[in-house]
Amino acid sequence: AQSVTQPDIHITVSEGASLELRCNYSYGATPYLFWYVQSPGQGLQLLLKYFSGDTLVQGIKGFEAEFKRSQSSFNLRKPSVHWSDAAEYFCAVGAHSGNTPLVFGKGTRLSVIA
Amino acid sequence: KAGVTQTPRYLIKTRGQQVTLSCSPISGHRSVSWYQQTPGQGLQFLFEYFSETQRNKGNFPGRFSGRQFSNSRSEMNVSTLELGDSALYLCASSAGTSGDTGELFFGEGSRLTVL
Repeated sequence: AQSVTQPDIHITVSEGASLELRCNYSYGATPYLFWYVQSPGQGLQLLLKYFSGDTLVQGIKGFEAEFKRSQSSFNLRKPSVHWSDAAEYFCAVGAHSGNTPLVFGKGTRLSVIA
Repeated sequence: KAGVTQTPRYLIKTRGQQVTLSCSPISGHRSVSWYQQTPGQGLQFLFEYFSETQRNKGNFPGRFSGRQFSNSRSEMNVSTLELGDSALYLCASSAGTSGDTGELFFGEGSRLTVL
């Protein structure tokens, strides 16, 4: 079964600074990988996804993520953070084969300071 | 097109009561998944329904149940509520089963408080 680890529970960055949120997964084959964002009081919104092909994927709101098979990682990046990016971010892994549900990490809360 | 709709958004119950939550998926989506979100545990998978059949079930007690109707709308029920059931319950829909596409579209959730 697949699993996801987000090592950072809470990160604080200054507005305009770069951001990298870490995600490590465990799965025996090539996974589906996702990043979702949740604003307070809201559901989850998909930022980006990796299914196959180019390992650098672009998402909405200026986010990108890179799939690194050798490191079992799928870190989320943004070159310049805006105050509106403050939210909780979830990495998720799915399986190409079989019929198993998405497994989510426990999330990283992002705070943005002026 | 309309997104995933969950009702009610907020509710308060007391221990021992039961609760039913409703989810209307995106039009054309046949799969509905339910997750429980709590601060300590993150998102935990409850169950998934596809074309009225339960396809997957998470590791929750039998007090948690669900169903899906022919129009793809889904309900989940929690009986004999416990304090620990207080959580945000999220519903998500997808076009296929979660194993096929993996892309879930979430509702805003139903916030359950058990007193």
